[in-house]
Amino acid sequence: DGGITQSPKYLFRKEGQNVTLSCEQNLNHDAMYWYRQDPGQGLRLIYYSQIVNDFQKGDIAEGYSVSREKKESFPLTVTSAQKNPTAFYLCASSIPGQEIGRNTEAFFGQGTRLTVV
Amino acid sequence: AQTVTQSQPEMSVQEAETVTLSCTYDTSESNYYLFWYKQPPSRQMILVIRQEAYKQQNATENRFSVNFQKAAKSFSLKISDSQLGDTAMYFCAVRGATNKLIFGTGTLLAVQP
Repeated sequence: DGGITQSPKYLFRKEGQNVTLSCEQNLNHDAMYWYRQDPGQGLRLIYYSQIVNDFQKGDIAEGYSVSREKKESFPLTVTSAQKNPTAFYLCASSIPGQEIGRNTEAFFGQGTRLTVV
Repeated sequence: AQTVTQSQPEMSVQEAETVTLSCTYDTSESNYYLFWYKQPPSRQMILVIRQEAYKQQNATENRFSVNFQKAAKSFSLKISDSQLGDTAMYFCAVRGATNKLIFGTGTLLAVQP
């Protein structure tokens, strides 16, 4: 079955440590996204990638980094520079928005809950 | 820049009644897509309905329909015959040809028996 997989489901990090969240998709999608969800704030875009080896900052990129070396994978690293990393993180993928007439909705993983201890 | 505004943080509706969730957006792109997603307590994001901005006809999907007012940049969601399973957070989103996908802050809908 095609889909998008995030791992782990729960992640604990000590203050000052970097941690990497995994996101893999087998939907052959070019575009991938990372969002952060906090109570009352909706989904805020961290980074997005339109194609392999390319990515753009979203609205809250500070303290985060990404890579897009393979079409299937878009890992997110939460660095020690992120002041308040405890949150729920969602990864998504979709076909490019330029493809008029095709289903362009984003498909989401089940999320990773990151807690700083 | 793209922005999405959902002005109703919480709403409540009786089972079998109709409810409308509001959404306004802003984008500088001429070709774009609009979406409504549902997030139940499981936190899995589920697509409810999509609308292509170049289509004037409002999208419908069973009990869900939208009122798309392009000039006003408004994209409201109407849920008819509300069911208990519709209880969830609902997010409005906009995406342009640059692929940047932006969400609103959400509306928490409670369907009362």
